[in-house]
Amino acid sequence: GAVVSQHPSWVICKSGTSVKIECRSLDFQATTMFWYRQFPKQSLMLMATSNEGSKATYEQGVEKDKFLINHASLTLSTLTVTSAHPEDSSFYICSAREDRDYYEQYFGPGTRLTVT
Amino acid sequence: GQNIDQPTEMTATEGAIVQINCTYQTSGFNGLFWYQQHAGEAPTFLSYNVLDGLEEKGRFSSFLSRSKGYSYLLLKELQMKDSASYLCAVIPNDYKLSFGAGTTVTVRA
Repeated sequence: GAVVSQHPSWVICKSGTSVKIECRSLDFQATTMFWYRQFPKQSLMLMATSNEGSKATYEQGVEKDKFLINHASLTLSTLTVTSAHPEDSSFYICSAREDRDYYEQYFGPGTRLTVT
Repeated sequence: GQNIDQPTEMTATEGAIVQINCTYQTSGFNGLFWYQQHAGEAPTFLSYNVLDGLEEKGRFSSFLSRSKGYSYLLLKELQMKDSASYLCAVIPNDYKLSFGAGTTVTVRA
C-alpha cells in the first residue's frame, strides 16, 4: 500500500528558531501534498495544499511567510516553521495524493512540535 | 465554508455496538471518508462512501444518504483497541478533505 513518512516524528525547539519537517511518499508519486495542523482534542485543520513545482496554496488565516512550504519533487514536500513561538506547538500531519487516485489521501505519521 | 457535525464523545461496553452519526453541509459532494485516529498518531482509513447505502467491512460498516447529508459509522463487537477518535471527512467541490471535529469513543470493560 501507499506509504507516507514524516521526519522528524517529534522535535523540541526554542522560541525564535526555525524548524523543518519533511514529508515523503515512499512508493508512489504524489502530485499533491497537504499539510494539516491538529491541536489537542481538536480535528485536523488544513493549512496548505502543495503541488509539485508550483507555489503552495494557503488556507485563510495561515501565514505563508511563517509556514514555508516547498514541494520540490514528486516524492518530497517540506514545511518550515519560521521564528517559532510556543503557540505553534502542535501536531503537524502531511498527506499525499496520487494523481490517478484522485480522492484518497495517504497520511504520514505526524510530527509533534514543541516550542519552549 | 463547510459544516460537518458529529458528536463529541461516546462511551460503550466491550462487545457492544456503537453508531457514530455525521451530518454535513458542504459546497458540493464527492464522497465521505471515515478515519480512526489514536492519540498522537495520524488518521487511518476506515471507509469511503460516494453512493447511497451501506458499506460493510468486517466489524465496521458505513452508511450514506446524500439527500439527507447524513452518514453513520457502525462499530460492532467493540474491543478495547477500538477506543479512539473517529473522524468524518467530506470531499467538497474543491477536492480538499474537510474534517469534522471527531468523536472520541471510549470502550469500557
